[in-house]
Amino acid sequence: KNEVEQSPQNLTAQEGEFITINCSYSVGISALHWLQQHPGGGIVSLFMLSSGKKKHGRLIATINIQEKHSSLHITASHPRDSAVYICAVDLGATNKLIFGTGTLLAVQP
Amino acid sequence: KAGVTQTPRYLIKTRGQQVTLSCSPISGHRSVSWYQQTPGQGLQFLFEYFSETQRNKGNFPGRFSGRQFSNSRSEMNVSTLELGDSALYLCASSFSHRGPYNEQFFGPGTRLTVL
Repeated sequence: KNEVEQSPQNLTAQEGEFITINCSYSVGISALHWLQQHPGGGIVSLFMLSSGKKKHGRLIATINIQEKHSSLHITASHPRDSAVYICAVDLGATNKLIFGTGTLLAVQP
Repeated sequence: KAGVTQTPRYLIKTRGQQVTLSCSPISGHRSVSWYQQTPGQGLQFLFEYFSETQRNKGNFPGRFSGRQFSNSRSEMNVSTLELGDSALYLCASSFSHRGPYNEQFFGPGTRLTVL
């Protein structure tokens, strides 16, 4: 069993829809990262969080440490949001990230 | 401020050769981590350097090695290349490895193809 599980693996949405991607982990962590990867490879760090909730534009990330669960929400989705979204956990201030398998999101116009 | 840069961006090698990849972190960042991404295994941690010292190493054979220089630039080396080493190699830099200072910023990656 992977230490970091993401769901769904694939997601197709219509433009404007509210999107949720989930991440569950089974180990103690110091922080959780949400990353975005577009075709071609480049990875962008969206959020790093260790508690509560963060918001940046149309993106919202939440984490529940007790339940070992995090969600990434995209409001008013747009085709440019189409990408792979990856959850990664840091086990303890190590910068040694363990990654989920990613969620491939396609937003159709 | 310039982002993380990696060179070269693309590389083709043959089995048995060795390769060196370079990563220049964001100015002021002292931690550099390396990751391998393959379709089969996804993203996997290779190693992390902080202030010229390797702090952590992932589960990779000894053919994979790295180092960090005093200016925080880092190199990774893969010797005796195998077909399975074909991957996207990403480096990421952060200011530190502690607390709120370890948000990692990724470079564009080096795509290595082993023939």
